[in-house]
Amino acid sequence: GAVVSQHPSRVICKSGTSVKIECRSLDFQATTMFWYRQFPKQSLMLMATSNEGSKATYEQGVEKDKFLINHASLTLSTLTVTSAHPEDSSFYICSSQDRGHGGYTFGSGTRLTVV
Amino acid sequence: GQQLNQSPQSMFIQEGEDVSMNCTSSSIFNTWLWYKQDPGEGPVLLIALYKAGELTSNGRLTAQFGITRKDSFLNISASIPSDVGIYFCAGSTGTASKLTFGTGTRLQVTL
Repeated sequence: GAVVSQHPSRVICKSGTSVKIECRSLDFQATTMFWYRQFPKQSLMLMATSNEGSKATYEQGVEKDKFLINHASLTLSTLTVTSAHPEDSSFYICSSQDRGHGGYTFGSGTRLTVV
Repeated sequence: GQQLNQSPQSMFIQEGEDVSMNCTSSSIFNTWLWYKQDPGEGPVLLIALYKAGELTSNGRLTAQFGITRKDSFLNISASIPSDVGIYFCAGSTGTASKLTFGTGTRLQVTL
């Protein structure tokens, strides 16, 4: 089945630094990648939708200059949290859809802790 | 952002019991999906529903796509300890469209 590989699984960074999270589709072409954020004991909230070769679409209230998304190829999308602050600490998850098999496949998530 | 109303919020059941949870929306979806999430992991797809009224099973799991397209339910029969986790419903309006998630149901199974 479709697999989305997400790295790193955990990262701790200092306030003010930037962190890059990668998501790769291993056996299908991810034309669209969705990026979610999940705070403890809460549901997944969509942050942005990235399409290969074009600018990402951000949900209301998500700062596009803070959460930089790059989707330069059909198998790789990245999310960079810039100038991270403790309130950015969260679980970030990517997802894409293998149209040949239907259903949305999720990465294993990245636990970001900003200290 | 929008979230789907999912109930119950949490459940504590004994091994062997059946479980039922549901999800409702104020708007129509063309696809309903049910996921299970273990701690520190991404959601894993359990069942996908693509047609109003559709009833689909996957082992001990059964899910239905409501005929109004505004609701769905998931049943788990004869629960076992590995069923522990958080279950999320999710709705989509079309292919490659974004998913809207439910608020989640936390399931605890006691021996």
